[in-house]
Amino acid sequence: GQNIDQPTEMTATEGAIVQINCTYQTSGFNGLFWYQQHAGEAPTFLSYNVLDGLEEKGRFSSFLSRSKGYSYLLLKELQMKDSASYLCAVSGGSYIPTFGRGTSLIVHP
Amino acid sequence: DGGITQSPKYLFRKEGQNVTLSCEQNLNHDAMYWYRQDPGQGLRLIYYSQIVNDFQKGDIAEGYSVSREKKESFPLTVTSAQKNPTAFYLCASSGQVGMGNQPQHFGDGTRLSIL
Repeated sequence: GQNIDQPTEMTATEGAIVQINCTYQTSGFNGLFWYQQHAGEAPTFLSYNVLDGLEEKGRFSSFLSRSKGYSYLLLKELQMKDSASYLCAVSGGSYIPTFGRGTSLIVHP
Repeated sequence: DGGITQSPKYLFRKEGQNVTLSCEQNLNHDAMYWYRQDPGQGLRLIYYSQIVNDFQKGDIAEGYSVSREKKESFPLTVTSAQKNPTAFYLCASSGQVGMGNQPQHFGDGTRLSIL
């Protein structure tokens, strides 16, 4: 089976940097995804990591350490519109992604 | 524009009634998925399909049924056997299962409530 753990809620200030962590245990590994989901809306794809290291995409970056079963999503220059849930999903040996419970990020002025 | 469409957006079910949620995609994706989302629970996989006329149970398939008669369509039926059906249901598709880097594209969801 797979176990994915992320913090339930985080708060941050507009303009700041926030790091959302995700730890996982899985049988087989074929990549880790991050999605953003605004309340009542569909999740949208943010990033994919399969090799160790940092992937940067504008204000968002995602890091992976396969040996530690650890990833983080880094959001820079936070904006109010970044208030959302951030979902970590791991593709294991079956290639079917398993999702964590999501981290609700609240950005305040 | 290509995308994935779920309907209806809101659905109400009476006790003992079956209801069917629609999911259609025009992305030419092989794989399709149904998830259930409850508050604080994240997304839990109900069923998935990798190819037409084939589908597999996910983690919480009891009380649900699906069909995949066409590549574009993957309807989900919530049967009366599902005792706690109130949830937000999300349909997703991806290019292929077995290709690890294929992100999922999600529909806007159907919110099902019990009357």
